[in-house]
Amino acid sequence: AQSVAQPEDQVNVAEGNPLTVKCTYSVSGNPYLFWYVQYPNRGLQFLLKYITGDNLVKGSYGFEAEFNKSQTSFHLKKPSALVSDSALYFCAVRPRGDYKLSFGAGTTVTVRA
Amino acid sequence: ETGVTQSPTHLIKTRGQQVTLRCSSQSGHNTVSWYQQALGQGPQFIFQYYREEENGRGNFPPRFSGLQFPNYSSELNVNALELDDSALYLCASSSVGLYMNTEAFFGQGTRLTVV
Repeated sequence: AQSVAQPEDQVNVAEGNPLTVKCTYSVSGNPYLFWYVQYPNRGLQFLLKYITGDNLVKGSYGFEAEFNKSQTSFHLKKPSALVSDSALYFCAVRPRGDYKLSFGAGTTVTVRA
Repeated sequence: ETGVTQSPTHLIKTRGQQVTLRCSSQSGHNTVSWYQQALGQGPQFIFQYYREEENGRGNFPPRFSGLQFPNYSSELNVNALELDDSALYLCASSSVGLYMNTEAFFGQGTRLTVV
């Protein structure tokens, strides 16, 4: 069975500080990995994905994510958080050859001024 | 903003009724998926349509059904609504390639409330 874990329900950081949102997964093989962000009363916006290659993936709005195969993790990072980064973040996994995206429960990020 | 649009944005229905939600895919995308996002949870996969046929389904009962049209737009139908069907329903479109490594682009969702 596929599973995606986001161990922190909430992450609070001060503006200008680094931001990390954690994600681990339990999927056989080498899945595709995604991060999405959701603002209140909105759909999900794609941030970045890992397909293959370099373990550090760069995405939209200054976000990046680090893939670690041995730890089956795909943590989202931003070197300097902004108040406007406050939102709900979802990690998602799709096994290779499959069509279904499996999402974590989400992490609420609050960036205080 | 993605090019995926959903209608209506909000909907209130009574238990036992039927509902149809609509989705217009992003231009050039041939695949549409539907997800249910209950309050405080991550989205759960309902099903996916490719070339007007369902080609994958999550753990949802048959009263959840769908259609995809030749222009790649889609409908989600839910019969015999239950209170637990209250959720945000998200449509996602993508252009599925051989390796299925493309990202999905989501609409803003339809908030369904069953009373």
